[in-house]
Amino acid sequence: GAVVSQHPSRVICKSGTSVKIECRSLDFQATTMFWYRQFPKQSLMLMATSNEGSKATYEQGVEKDKFLINHASLTLSTLTVTSAHPEDSSFYICSARAPTGSGNTIYFGEGSWLTVV
Amino acid sequence: AQSVTQLGSHVSVSEGALVLLRCNYSSSVPPYLFWYVQYPNQGLQLLLKYTTGATLVKGINGFEAEFKKSETSFHLTKPSAHMSDAAEYFCAVSGGYNKLIFGAGTRLAVHP
Repeated sequence: GAVVSQHPSRVICKSGTSVKIECRSLDFQATTMFWYRQFPKQSLMLMATSNEGSKATYEQGVEKDKFLINHASLTLSTLTVTSAHPEDSSFYICSARAPTGSGNTIYFGEGSWLTVV
Repeated sequence: AQSVTQLGSHVSVSEGALVLLRCNYSSSVPPYLFWYVQYPNQGLQLLLKYTTGATLVKGINGFEAEFKKSETSFHLTKPSAHMSDAAEYFCAVSGGYNKLIFGAGTRLAVHP
């Protein structure tokens, strides 16, 4: 079945640095990917919708200059957390919409744990 | 606009007992409805989905859900709980295969 992969699964970075998380659709082309954030024991909150070849659409309250999203190809979207701070520590999950013929549903990656120290 | 309400943040059942996780939604467009399961420190796995057609949807691991438009509900059930079913379950709604709006989640505990 369709698979969405995230890398890295866990990352620790120092406060003030930037960190990049990759989301790949492994066996289908995804024109649209979604980035979510999940705090411990809470639900998933949509951060932004990533569209291949165009700017991402951010949800209200999400800082687009802090959470940079690039969807450079049909199989890869990246989330860069810039000037990270401890409050950015969270579980980040991406999802990708598979087209008709490849499941025609939304698949999620394994998630990436970010810890900012 | 869309929203999801999951009744009961924690549900505890005995092994072999019926599992019922409740989900109510609101949507201004015909909804697509999903149930996902999340095990500790992992991503989300799709259990089942409703888009159009048959309102009783069967998913993986013996789970099923019924779309009831009149009740705006999409409750998840399983006839007999297994210890391996213990996890966090999320109900989600979207207008088509677009961004998903998630409920707060229900943590299912299964005890011997």
